[in-house]
Amino acid sequence: GQSLEQPSEVTAVEGAIVQINCTYQTSGFYGLSWYQQHDGGAPTFLSYNALDGLEETGRFSSFLSRSDSYGYLLLQELQMKDSASYFCAQYNFNKFYFGSGTKLNVKP
Amino acid sequence: DAGVIQSPRHEVTEMGQEVTLRCKPISGHNSLFWYRQTMMRGLELLIYFNNNVPIDDSGMPEDRFSAKMPNASFSTLKIQPSEPRDSAVYFCASSFGQPGNTIYFGEGSWLTVV
Repeated sequence: GQSLEQPSEVTAVEGAIVQINCTYQTSGFYGLSWYQQHDGGAPTFLSYNALDGLEETGRFSSFLSRSDSYGYLLLQELQMKDSASYFCAQYNFNKFYFGSGTKLNVKP
Repeated sequence: DAGVIQSPRHEVTEMGQEVTLRCKPISGHNSLFWYRQTMMRGLELLIYFNNNVPIDDSGMPEDRFSAKMPNASFSTLKIQPSEPRDSAVYFCASSFGQPGNTIYFGEGSWLTVV
């Protein structure tokens, strides 16, 4: 499989901005996705970057730098409901490989 | 639209028993994935089908695991015989064609082998 590195846990307060970083392997790289998973639930799609730059979807944005093999997910105006695990996923050779996930704890 | 449908949602079985997990992908999707999730190993890709054909099964942990996709609307993941270390959540996911297209996950099958 592929190896993606992301922090295991991040804590932030309501209303704040948080950035979750992800580094990936370049072999066969096609694009980087982000998924959200609440406890007991299934991963759900947030965003996808195939090209360098920023993709914005509401309060969530995702960034990719292919030259640095790096991407991040930016969450703005944090809400309690954003407490979940966030996974970066690398698209290689028609398959998605997932990072180990970052648990985001949002505190009042 | 119906999403990816998995069954059973929860299963508790005894070591040595056969377990069959089922998946109905989203209609029109031509790629199907089986993932396993545990605290220790995260989300692992077990096998990937494209147009009902297994493309890559390198993630299948051992010969006790097998997967089939007899048609575009049905897939199974079988574990025989099951062992306690197989306890995990098994997700089926599907997507349509184009590289990087979103993959949609089912709600998962929570397997406990005692």
